[in-house]
Amino acid sequence: EVQVVESGGGLVKPGGSLRLSCVASGFTFSRYVMNWVRQTPGMGLEWVSSISASGDQTWYAESVKGRFTISRDNAKNSLTLRMNSLRVEDTAVYYCVRETVAYYDVLSGLPYNRFDPWGQGTRVTVSS
Amino acid sequence: DIQMTQSPSSLSASVGDRVTITCRASEIINKFLNWYQQKPGEAPTLLIYAASSLQNGVPSRFSASGSGTDFSLTISSLQPEDFATYYCQQTYNTPPTFGQGTKVEIK
Repeated sequence: EVQVVESGGGLVKPGGSLRLSCVASGFTFSRYVMNWVRQTPGMGLEWVSSISASGDQTWYAESVKGRFTISRDNAKNSLTLRMNSLRVEDTAVYYCVRETVAYYDVLSGLPYNRFDPWGQGTRVTVSS
Repeated sequence: DIQMTQSPSSLSASVGDRVTITCRASEIINKFLNWYQQKPGEAPTLLIYAASSLQNGVPSRFSASGSGTDFSLTISSLQPEDFATYYCQQTYNTPPTFGQGTKVEIK
């Protein structure tokens, strides 16, 4: 079964740090871009960060750039999100998500990406 | 960033009803549009990718269409297990962005 499982969430004070982990199974982890997506009642679903299959490229939402770091260990099928300088507005459920390419657009050559599967999520609460 | 706007935000329907949800992008995204279903307490799951392609295992009562900026998701005959929140997502460019969700409730 293809699955990803997150861990590491918890309660942290503003300005604090937290490390989220995700372990993948059931697929060749090293072949896929991986993402972190968070969800809050107010903001809905928000993409946070992505990392290339090899780990040599990373992308971040403006809201977390400079504070969060995504990384992966393909030998251990694991994905990590290090979160520093946490803010109240970072409070959310954080999902680890695999990104797959369905196929490529004939005209543009761009990939039709899809997010599947999602982990069950890990809750991060930033509060004093 | 590309803004995704869904309508309605919520709707009430009965089992057996035909339901349509729309999603509008703030700029042209061709067919780079996915739909997800999220049930309470669960993670989102992929329903539709590339605007109209049904993900493996998703019932055929789900269908979707659209291109450019306007998209729709239709459930032909609502089943009890379909009461959930539905999200659209564009993957045309980074950052990928989601609609605010449409909650389908039991009438």
